[in-house]
Amino acid sequence: AQSVTQLGSHVSVSEGALVLLRCNYSSSVPPYLFWYVQYPNQGLQLLLKYTSAATLVKGINGFEAEFKKSETSFHLTKPSAHMSDAAEYFCAVGDQGAQKLVFGQGTRLTINP
Amino acid sequence: KAGVTQTPRYLIKTRGQQVTLSCSPISGHRSVSWYQQTPGQGLQFLFEYFSETQRNKGNFPGRFSGRQFSNSRSEMNVSTLELGDSALYLCASSSTTGPYNEQFFGPGTRLTVL
Repeated sequence: AQSVTQLGSHVSVSEGALVLLRCNYSSSVPPYLFWYVQYPNQGLQLLLKYTSAATLVKGINGFEAEFKKSETSFHLTKPSAHMSDAAEYFCAVGDQGAQKLVFGQGTRLTINP
Repeated sequence: KAGVTQTPRYLIKTRGQQVTLSCSPISGHRSVSWYQQTPGQGLQFLFEYFSETQRNKGNFPGRFSGRQFSNSRSEMNVSTLELGDSALYLCASSSTTGPYNEQFFGPGTRLTVL
């Protein structure tokens, strides 16, 4: 079965600092990977997705993620944090045979002024 | 294009009651999926409908059911509510099927069971 592990339930960075949110996956087949963001009292918004076209994926709001098969990782980064980035971030893997996402537990990102 | 809409946004029920939640997908989207989000269990897949047929179901008891109408709108029903059913229920729609097609999420319905 596919699964996702997000390392760190809370991450705190200063405004302007690098953001690094970690995600490791487990999949017996080439995975389809996603990062979603959730702002308070809202649904999920797709930041970016990996579909095997390129290992470095660029998303919205300056975020990007790199797929590393050897490390089974898909970490999310942003060079310079902004106060508006404060939210909860979810890594997910797409089930090969179904329109179904398996989510990690989420990482709450706090930005310090 | 309007996004995914869910009604109601907030709901308070008591144990033993039943509840119906509604989801209207983005126009043209035929796949609708439902997820439950709780602080303890995180985001968990409930079921997915495509062209009025349930194609996949998560690991939830039979008290959780759903359906999809010919216009792709979907409803989910929870019978005999338990305190543990308190959660944010998210609906997502997709234009086609396949594991890497983006799912667009609605704002959710927050259900509180007292």
